[in-house]
Parts: sequence; C-alpha cells; structure tokens
Amino acid sequence: QKEVEQDPGPLSVPEGAIVSLNCTYSNSAFQYFMWYRQYSRKGPELLMYTYSSGNKEDGRFTAQVDKSSKYISLFIRDSQPSDSATYLCAMSRQGGSEKLVFGKGTKLTVNP
Amino acid sequence: DTGVSQDPRHKITKRGQNVTFRCDPISEHNRLYWYRQTLGQGPEFLTYFQNEAQLEKSRLLSDRFSAERPKGSFSTLEIQRTEQGDSAMYLCASSLASGAHTEAFFGQGTRLTVV
Repeated sequence: QKEVEQDPGPLSVPEGAIVSLNCTYSNSAFQYFMWYRQYSRKGPELLMYTYSSGNKEDGRFTAQVDKSSKYISLFIRDSQPSDSATYLCAMSRQGGSEKLVFGKGTKLTVNP
Repeated sequence: DTGVSQDPRHKITKRGQNVTFRCDPISEHNRLYWYRQTLGQGPEFLTYFQNEAQLEKSRLLSDRFSAERPKGSFSTLEIQRTEQGDSAMYLCASSLASGAHTEAFFGQGTRLTVV
C-alpha cells in the first residue's frame, strides 16, 4: 500500500461546476498537507497548505483535512477552464522544509 | 530572483551515456531537494541538502546517481550509464528550513529521455 493514494482520474467537468479532489494516506505522522497544481510540462506550484485537521479557504479553493479518517480534500468552486491541470496532494511530517510525499495526481479538465 | 531555475529543460541521451543536470535554488533558501516524476505519477523524493550537506537519500537513488551542492548554492544531479528506465522529469525544489511553516518552491524540471 502506498503512503498516499489519489485517484488519477481523469476528471472532466463543465465550467462553473464544483470540483472535489481527494487523497487518503496511511502514515499518521503526517501533520502538513498541501495541494499543488501542475500544468502540462511545468513544475508543481503550491495552491493550499494546511496544518493538522480543519478547513482552509482561499478564494474559490477550500482545503479540508480529517486526520481521524486520514482523508484530505480540495474543493474548487465555480471552476474555470484555466483550472484545467493536474492536482497533486502532498504531505509531510514537518512542513515544506522536509521531503514531501505526493499522490499520483488527478488530471482535471474544465470544459467551457 | 525569479525562482528555482533548472538547466537544461530537455535532454535526450543515448543509453549508457552520462548526464548532468543543474539546479539554482532561490538565493536565500538553505534546503534543496531533488525529485523524479514519471508519466502519470506524482513526484518521488530522491535526495535533499541543507546548505552543502546531503542529509537524506532515497532508496530510489541507485549507485549510478550522485548529487552535489558545493558551497551550498547550486546543485548538480549526475546519472551515470543511463538506462531507459531513467527517462523522467527531474524536479528541483528549494525551501528555507525553519520552525514555522515554510513552502517548497519547484523549478520547471529537466525532462530526460533515454533512447
């Protein structure tokens, strides 16, 4: 079993839809949870960063962490074609200054 | 400073040749990481440095791989006797090690194709 599991999709939605992306993990030592967005042939860029359990909102994006279930989610409201990318969840024990463990990534397409 | 810079962006090499990639981190960042990403997979950790010291190496990093960070600035990743299985995107990231939340910034990667 991999430490981080993420459904690779692909996921295709119409513009304006609410998108839900999820990851599960097995290592209870993970304390920091991140979502990266990666456009084709580019490096990942950080979208959201959450410490421990709870919710965090930033514009159209909401990240949720449920440590009791070892489950994290990213919600995208009012999705736009420019949101089309691969979304990677990543986790670590000590934040961004430590090595990250990534999921496989979910490829999202938002259709105009 | 425009972020993490990697060179070259693309490299095609014949099997058995040696290749070297360079990463220039964000100037004030003392931690530098190398990851490898194959098609349809997330990045996998290879190794990281704090200043010039290599602190951790993944089991993925075979004896054919070597990384250096002389003087704690730029880093190089060398692959000797390349194999087709080495074809991947090699990503470099940097961060500032501190007790508080700190973000790892990624470069655009070097895409290696071994033919």
